[in-house]
Parts: sequence; C-alpha cells; structure tokens
Amino acid sequence: DSGVTQTPKHLITATGQRVTLRCSPRSGDLSVYWYQQSLDQGLQFLIQYYNGEERAKGNILERFSAQQFPDLHSELNLSSLELGDSALYFCASSVASTMWGGATDTQYFGPGTRLTVL
Amino acid sequence: DAKTTQPPSMDCAEGRAANLPCNHSTISGNEYVYWYRQIHSQGPQYIIHGLKNNETNEMASLIITEDRKSSTLILPHATLRDTAVYYCIVRVARTSGSRLTFGEGTQLTVNP
Repeated sequence: DSGVTQTPKHLITATGQRVTLRCSPRSGDLSVYWYQQSLDQGLQFLIQYYNGEERAKGNILERFSAQQFPDLHSELNLSSLELGDSALYFCASSVASTMWGGATDTQYFGPGTRLTVL
Repeated sequence: DAKTTQPPSMDCAEGRAANLPCNHSTISGNEYVYWYRQIHSQGPQYIIHGLKNNETNEMASLIITEDRKSSTLILPHATLRDTAVYYCIVRVARTSGSRLTFGEGTQLTVNP
C-alpha cells in the first residue's frame, strides 16, 4: 500500500459525458501528478500540481482539467469523453523535498482508476 | 531527462537473481536513476533510486557504472510475484517535483 488513494476504482460511462476522478496523496506530500495509461500509448504524464498550484503540463487534452484543493487532494475532470479516453488513470504524490538535489522526490502511485467509455 | 534503453523482455528462474540492465549514455551529472515496476495494470511501484553510488534496500540492489552510462537492477532471489514490467527512468530531482517519463520497460517473467 503506497498511501495514495484513488476513487473510484472503475468507471463506465458513455461518449460525451463528463467524469471526475479523485486522488488523495500520502500524508505530507505536496505534489500530485496525474498519468494516463492506454494500451497504445503507455504511461503518459498529464499534469502536476504542487501545493495547490499547477506546476507542469504534459500531453493533457483541453477537454481535461485538474485542480488541487487546500487539503491537497486532487481531482481530474474529463469532459466530452471519447472512446479513445478509455484508459487507466494513475495519481502519484511526492513530498518534493527542498533539500539540494531533491533526492527524496520519489513518486508513489495510487492503484488507479479504470475508465471505460462506451 | 536522459533517454534510457532496456531490453523488451527477460526471463528468470524462481529463486535465482534477476539482473535487469539499463543504458542511459546521455545522463547528466545531476540526473538520478530510478526504477519502478508495474504488476499487471496495478499502479507503478517504486523500487529504488541512485545518483552514482550503488544502493540497496529491502527490495533490490542498484548497481551504477562508474561512468554512470548504465545501471543494473538486481532482484537477489526472484519470486513469481516479481513478474512485472520494470521501468528504468533517468530524471532530475527538482524542488517542487518533476514528472516521470516512462519508456517501454522490460517485461520480466519469473518462471517456476
């Protein structure tokens, strides 16, 4: 158990719909990351939040958005869903140490949410 | 972040050591080597990381060559539960964090 929790575990929805995925980071971790894993794309970084602010963006579609709340949990919102959005969505968290080199910036992953768009 | 090269697949007998190689010939001086694994659609699991010294923890050992251009992850006594995709990732560890860039990884199959 990594200490990162994600809900729901499974989500089945239809094209055109909107869903929200939730992530609770490990206690004390300030950074939250979202990754997408589809069969043909592998694990892809989507977006990172650090202490409530967006820090970095990867290959995230404009239909997708995220936020990190004051209690540090994060939500990933996916809208106008398409068949190709079916994937595993993982959240990870890290403490993001301010020590030189950030050697303790190890990301720990949650169990993921499996999204199926029909 | 530096690019890594790993063999697509490897086999290992149960109880034997599994040695997973990774090439990262363009690694920079401030980049760490991280290893993660993913067991069949579960969330990636952190294994170990290092900068230039060899590292060992309860899961594995990491051997980094002196020139830092390659490394080897060693699972000393592989079990069937170690069957997974292993990812070698090279990245700068920044304050406020930084993304992980996953490649194809190595599918390790531990056979009875």
